[in-house]
Amino acid sequence: AAGVIQSPRHLIKEKRETATLKCYPIPRHDTVYWYQQGPGQDPQFLISFYEKMQSDKGSIPDRFSAQQFSDYHSELNMSSLELGDSALYFCASSLTAFTEAFFGQGTRLTVV
Amino acid sequence: QQQVKQSPQSLIVQKGGISIINCAYENTAFDYFPWYQQFPGKGPALLIAIRPDVSEKKEGRFTISFNKSAKQFSLHIMDSQPGDSATYFCAASGSARQLTFGSGTQLTVLP
Repeated sequence: AAGVIQSPRHLIKEKRETATLKCYPIPRHDTVYWYQQGPGQDPQFLISFYEKMQSDKGSIPDRFSAQQFSDYHSELNMSSLELGDSALYFCASSLTAFTEAFFGQGTRLTVV
Repeated sequence: QQQVKQSPQSLIVQKGGISIINCAYENTAFDYFPWYQQFPGKGPALLIAIRPDVSEKKEGRFTISFNKSAKQFSLHIMDSQPGDSATYFCAASGSARQLTFGSGTQLTVLP
């Protein structure tokens, strides 16, 4: 079965650089969520989209922005990167009528 | 403040034993309670989930027990196997649908 695809899997950036993370949801899933997971921490909700519109916002820094495109894939844009942004970034997707969220394998971002 | 409190932080069980992980929540608007399993460097994988209208749900070796009045729910893993060794997260969501996770339990099943 198709799963949530995230790219890239690993990313190394320097401080103050920008990064773009991509997420391709499970086919027919119209809702996308972004989570940030620091080392040894639980995933923290950043932002979500339903039908290409932002639906909820969590603890997402102002330096970050995201959008969902017409093909339902989503991109998380991160600017002015800081050392503390180093984490695993997960995308999850779900169907409107159901609540089950399925996670991708994540992007490991390292800021040096 | 952690909206979903999970315990224990770590758990060691012998092969064939029962692993029990507990969670408690504060927000009475939560109406969906999933459990996720996560291996190092991987994404969380949905194991089993429950809604407040039932007190127990079983899928294979995994059982969720739910106590609405106490605002608590737990995961029981029967006949625990070394391959079950992973980090387990409870979570909760309401109408907003984003998940609020517990702090995680690192389970080690000894062979």
